[in-house]
Order: sequence, then C-alpha cells, then structure tokens
Amino acid sequence: KQEVTQIPAALSVPEGENLVLNCSFTDSAIYNLQWFRQDPGKGLTSLLLIQSSQREQTSGRLNASLDKSSGRSTLYIAASQPGDSATYLCAVRRYNTDKLIFGTGTRLQVFP
Amino acid sequence: DTAVSQTPKYLVTQMGNDKSIKCEQNLGHDTMYWYKQDSKKFLKIMFSYNNKELIINETVPNRFSPKSPDKAHLNLHINSLELGDSAVYFCASSQRKQGAETQYFGPGTRLLVL
Repeated sequence: KQEVTQIPAALSVPEGENLVLNCSFTDSAIYNLQWFRQDPGKGLTSLLLIQSSQREQTSGRLNASLDKSSGRSTLYIAASQPGDSATYLCAVRRYNTDKLIFGTGTRLQVFP
Repeated sequence: DTAVSQTPKYLVTQMGNDKSIKCEQNLGHDTMYWYKQDSKKFLKIMFSYNNKELIINETVPNRFSPKSPDKAHLNLHINSLELGDSAVYFCASSQRKQGAETQYFGPGTRLLVL
C-alpha cells in the first residue's frame, strides 16, 4: 500500500530564504509525481509534474526533483516571498491507474 | 473563465438529509474525479469517471453515488447524511494521454452536517 509523507508538517521563514520541502513515498513503482499548492479555503493548483523517467522539473522559482529508487522528491523554492504562503502537497500516481495518493502536506508561512 | 467549477460552494444541512454537489469542467477532459479532504486536511480520492464510465471506486459508503451525465459533468449525491460526512469535497479533471496528465481541481464544496 502506497503511503506518502511530507516533512516538515509546517514551516515559517522570513522572506528571501531558499526552502526545501520533502516528500517520501513507500512504493517506488510510480508513474509520476505532482506538487500542488493549496491556499486557505481554495482548491489545489498544480505546480509541477515529474514523470517517473525524469529527475527534475523547473518552473520559475520552483524546482522539483525526483529520486524514484529512494522514494523521495523535493520541492525547492528560491527566494521565498510572502505570496508563497500556502500548503504544499505532493501526490504520486501508480502505473495503470488514474488515482493520486496525496501526502500529508507542508504548511508554509513566509513573513515579510 | 473557470476551468473546473463546483456548486454549491458551501452546504450546511441536517443529519439524515440527502444532498447533491455538482461539478462541471470546460477543459474538454475525458476523466473526472471526486476527492474528500477531512478536518486534518488529508485529501483522498473517492471516485473517478473516464468517458462517463466509473473507473475508480474507493471504499466509500454506498450512501455516496456519483453520476456522470456527460464527459463535462460529474455530480455527487449523498443520502442520509452523517456527521462524519462533514468535509471539503473537491472535483478534479484530467485528460488521459501518455505523459503529463495533470489534474485540475475545482474550488471545493464545504459540507457541514449538523
């Protein structure tokens, strides 16, 4: 059974810091891994999707890496801003299924 | 233009009632999903439909019945509501193709059962 864990559960940092959010999964037979952002009271916004054959994906100040063999992914946020404050969720998808298994989330607060 | 929309946004109701939540997507996707986010913010899939066919049906009480009248709509009907059904319900959609099947989420429906 696939289990997805995110560390830390919460993070509070001053503006400008570079951050690393961690995601680990127990079953390495994944098809892809997605990082989402959820703002309070809102839905989820997809940030990055990494296929199992890829090592990393980048979008602006965000960089996500994937190490399938060790069951880990990291989301790197460069030069954090208060607008980055949100909950970040990772989700994995296995082969031959559309089902996403979500992690427990990291609640990020960036203060000015 | 809203890609994935849900109605209502908020729903407060009494135990034992029957209620429906509606979802529509205008992205032309062929797959739609219902997720439940509990009070601890843990998000878990409930159902998925591809081209109006049920393809994922997790261990969900049979009081929950999804209905997909067409590819752009996936509704969720809940019978005999219980206190434990209080949660945020998210609809999502994606397009099945080899490669990046990003799921797009709706804004959520906040259900409170009293």
